[in-house]
Amino acid sequence: SQQGEEDPQALSIQEGENATMNCSYKTSINNLQWYRQNSGRGLVHLILIRSNEREKHSGRLRVTLDTSKKSSSLLITASRAADTASYFCATVNSGGSNYKLTFGKGTLLTVNP
Amino acid sequence: DSGVTQTPKHLITATGQRVTLRCSPRSGDLSVYWYQQSLDQGLQFLIQYYNGEERAKGNILERFSAQQFPDLHSELNLSSLELGDSALYFCASSPSPANYGYTFGSGTRLTVV
Repeated sequence: SQQGEEDPQALSIQEGENATMNCSYKTSINNLQWYRQNSGRGLVHLILIRSNEREKHSGRLRVTLDTSKKSSSLLITASRAADTASYFCATVNSGGSNYKLTFGKGTLLTVNP
Repeated sequence: DSGVTQTPKHLITATGQRVTLRCSPRSGDLSVYWYQQSLDQGLQFLIQYYNGEERAKGNILERFSAQQFPDLHSELNLSSLELGDSALYFCASSPSPANYGYTFGSGTRLTVV
């Protein structure tokens, strides 16, 4: 079953613009992660934000987390054509010992040159 | 190369057959996770192994089974294959999922004809 739901499902922007993707989830989490997937390839881990963190940066990526609203956003600044990919949020639920990731359905980002 | 190795990359087989997918986790990672990705279901967690023991089960069919060997490589066995089993199968590993993201392999694309 899906935990995260990304919004929008698809996003098309011009190179140099910023891209914002949102994710909502349902249960209490240990952490939330964002991944990128180029068409038909493996997923690449982008960033992890813990439940007690509100914002995190990595290069051109900025992630925010609002546990009261059970939502997160991923901002990619100054986008490039190479950023074209699907982006997934995934959550690790709190409690338990297996720390399995539950993925949303993803946002397909297209950056036009 | 992500450090997680999956073989084979592509597999085409007939309905009713049995196949084995292989995964070698990143050096030092004790946890292996298997995921299935299809267009209609998205990324679905199948099963997790930790240091040779099954730790968690997800939406894994009874026709599917897995194991992790003493050298930590893992195999996913799919039997009595149906057309609907056609999908990308990923394995992933992590040194500490509470603190680090997963490293995914490049996947095995299974086509059942």
